[in-house]
Amino acid sequence: AQSVSQHNHHVILSEAASLELGCNYSYGGTVNLFWYVQYPGQHLQLLLKYFSGDPLVKGIKGFEAEFIKSKFSFNLRKPSVQWSDTAEYFCAVRERFGAGTRLTVKP
Amino acid sequence: DSGVTQTPKHLITATGQRVTLRCSPRSGDLSVYWYQQSLDQGLQFLIQYYNGEERAKGNILERFSAQQFPDLHSELNLSSLELGDSALYFCASSVVGGSYGYTFGSGTRLTVV
Repeated sequence: AQSVSQHNHHVILSEAASLELGCNYSYGGTVNLFWYVQYPGQHLQLLLKYFSGDPLVKGIKGFEAEFIKSKFSFNLRKPSVQWSDTAEYFCAVRERFGAGTRLTVKP
Repeated sequence: DSGVTQTPKHLITATGQRVTLRCSPRSGDLSVYWYQQSLDQGLQFLIQYYNGEERAKGNILERFSAQQFPDLHSELNLSSLELGDSALYFCASSVVGGSYGYTFGSGTRLTVV
């Protein structure tokens, strides 16, 4: 069955800490991989995407993600988080979304 | 403003009723996707339309249906509503198959009482 798994439901970090959110998928064939962010009270916005080429992709607001084909993973990273990064983060493979990870950054 | 317009923003209705949610995709986008977001189920893919034709189906209940019109706007019809249907319903659009990601609307918050 096709599925997208996000390991953490809620992550709490202090400002300047490093972030890594896990995402694993179960899909056959070509995968288009995405991370979206949903700030409180707002709609989802695309952070970054991967569909071919360099497996390390850079997105907006200093986020990056690495596609590891052998591990079926597409983890999101940011070296130093800010209070304004508090939001819910969703990993997606094509039209299927993971359950989301809520990130709370303490000032 | 993302360019994807959803109406209404809020809807309160009683159990057993029927409602229609509307979505206008971003200019130039041919595909429309519907999602249901609730606290316990996360973001559930319901259905996709491409240029008027149904393209993919997700966890859409038989009580729910959708269509995409020639002008590319889409409607999601929810009938025989139950309390558990209370959720945020998002519409998203993409150019073709979504390889470049989706643009989401602000959602319709449906409350069934």
